[in-house]
Amino acid sequence: GNSVTQMEGPVTLSEEAFLTINCTYTATGYPSLFWYVQYPGEGLQLLLKATKADDKGSNKGFEATYRKETTSFHLEKGSVQVSDSAVYFCARLVQGAQKLVFGQGTRLTINP
Amino acid sequence: EPEVTQTPSHQVTQMGQEVILRCVPISNHLYFYWYRQILGQKVEFLVSFYNNEISEKSEIFDDQFSVERPDGSNFTLKIRSTKLEDSAMYFCASSERASGGALRETQYFGPGTRLLVL
Repeated sequence: GNSVTQMEGPVTLSEEAFLTINCTYTATGYPSLFWYVQYPGEGLQLLLKATKADDKGSNKGFEATYRKETTSFHLEKGSVQVSDSAVYFCARLVQGAQKLVFGQGTRLTINP
Repeated sequence: EPEVTQTPSHQVTQMGQEVILRCVPISNHLYFYWYRQILGQKVEFLVSFYNNEISEKSEIFDDQFSVERPDGSNFTLKIRSTKLEDSAMYFCASSERASGGALRETQYFGPGTRLLVL
């Protein structure tokens, strides 16, 4: 199949805490992987991406490494801020088709 | 920085009415997409469009839905006879290309149109 599974939310952390949001995928081959973020009341913004195994995507202090051995693309940030409060979506590109398959989203709330 | 735009931002309609959601993709992009997100649920693929025809569609995209690129800039989603369950946020996206491992496959999303069917 072509599914994406994210860790259940919601996640609530204090400012400056370490963040991990788990994401695993099922696939044949090596699909491109993405993290999108949806801030309250807004649309989807691309946060980072990786197109092949062992690539590391990074942006705004967030990182995710494409791990083919564990079929994972976990999102991490060393020190979160209140402004990081949003819903985070992991997604994979379906090879041969022209669509993204999204995980269910993880709502993150950062308290000051 | 170029971005995908969508209009209207919100639309309220009566069940059975036709609605047209509009999108202006990024100008040098060739592939266009519609996704929807029912409140509190995951984002779901509806349809992809390239070279003036549908490339791929999901099971959600039935005969009530159609897409069109009426001119060189707009990309529209039409729902012929809306149902209550069509209430959702509809996102348009575009990419330079569809796949192949290059960065140009990245899909950029618009801000969405929130559709409410009463």
